[in-house]
Parts: sequence; structure tokens; C-alpha cells
Amino acid sequence: QKEVEQNSGPLSVPEGAIASLNCTYSDRVSQSFFWYRQYSGKSPELIMSIYSNGDKEDGRFTAQLNKASQYVSLLIRDSQPSDSATYLCAVNPSGTYKYIFGTGTRLKVLA
Amino acid sequence: DGGITQSPKYLFRKEGQNVTLSCEQNLNHDAMYWYRQDPGQGLRLIYYSQIVNDFQKGDIAEGYSVSREKKESFPLTVTSAQKNPTAFYLCASSIGQQSEKLFFGSGTQLSVL
Repeated sequence: QKEVEQNSGPLSVPEGAIASLNCTYSDRVSQSFFWYRQYSGKSPELIMSIYSNGDKEDGRFTAQLNKASQYVSLLIRDSQPSDSATYLCAVNPSGTYKYIFGTGTRLKVLA
Repeated sequence: DGGITQSPKYLFRKEGQNVTLSCEQNLNHDAMYWYRQDPGQGLRLIYYSQIVNDFQKGDIAEGYSVSREKKESFPLTVTSAQKNPTAFYLCASSIGQQSEKLFFGSGTQLSVL
């Protein structure tokens, strides 16, 4: 089992819809969770970080964390064509300086 | 402006040649990282350093070497022992405390001639 798993996609949603991206992880004691957006040929940029169970909202983005079920998700409301990118889930296992990345989910927002 | 600078943006390696990728940061971050990304893949950790003059192997360190002589600099050498070096290389840094977010440089695309 991979340490951090994501559906590679592509996930296609119409403009204005809600995009839902999911990530599961295997290390039960992981503390920190991050969502990065990466455009083709560019470096990742941080979208959201979440550390506690529940929801965290920032503008059109909401991160959801459920440590008991070992999953973290990212919701993008009112999706725009500019949101089309690959979204990487990253996990920081407890007690380490290592960040483990999933393979990413490619999102396509259709105009 | 504070940030991470990677150079060059594109690099070509001949067979048997060692090449060095530069990474410089002016964020005053303690921790620095090197990741490799292959097409359609996630990021895989090559090396990381928590403080000056100390570094640890990541998951795919074979064929690579690093140094951390200055806080601001963390160069990566891709040696001739790395038989499949073609990839997008990303340098990152963080404050140095666990659970802190990573800041990324713009990346270096390495290809084999």
C-alpha cells in the first residue's frame, strides 16, 4: 500500500461546479496535511494546510481532515478554468522532517 | 523579495558526466530538500538537510550527492551513477520545525543527451 494515495484522474467538472479531491494516507500518527496546486511545468504552490480534524475554509477552498478514517480532502467551490491543474496531497508523518507526496489528481474545469 | 532560486532552468547531461543543480534561498530557513518528479508522478525525496553541515538520505538517494556548507545553499550533484536522471528536480525549504509548509523553487528540468 502506498503511503499517500490519490486518484490520478483526470477529474472533469463544469465551470462553477464543486470539485472534490480526495487523499488517503497510511501512517496513523501523521500530524500535518497539505494540498499543493501544480500547473504543468511549474513548481507546486501551497493551497491549504490542515492539522486538526474537521473543516478549514479559505476563500473557495475547503480542506477536510478525518484522522480516524485516514483521509483528507479538498473542495473547490465555484470552479474556474484557471483551477485546472494537478493537485498534490502531502503528509508530514509525526516526528519527522519528511513530507510524503501523493501522485496527484489532475483536475480539468470545463468552460 | 524572499524566495528560493534554482538554476539552471534546463540542463543537459552527457553520459558519464556529473552535473550540479544550484539551490539558493534567502528565507532564513533551516531545512532544505531536494525532490525528483517524473512525468505523471508525485514528488520523491532525494535528500534533505535540517541544519548546516548535516543532511540525510531520502527515499531515492542513490546516484546523487549534496552538501550544505551554508544555510542559504543546498546544491545537488547528479552523478554518472544515476542511470536514469531525466526528471524535473525541485528544491524546497521550510522553517525547520516539524509540520511546517514547504516553499518550492521553480525547478530544473534535467535531460540526457
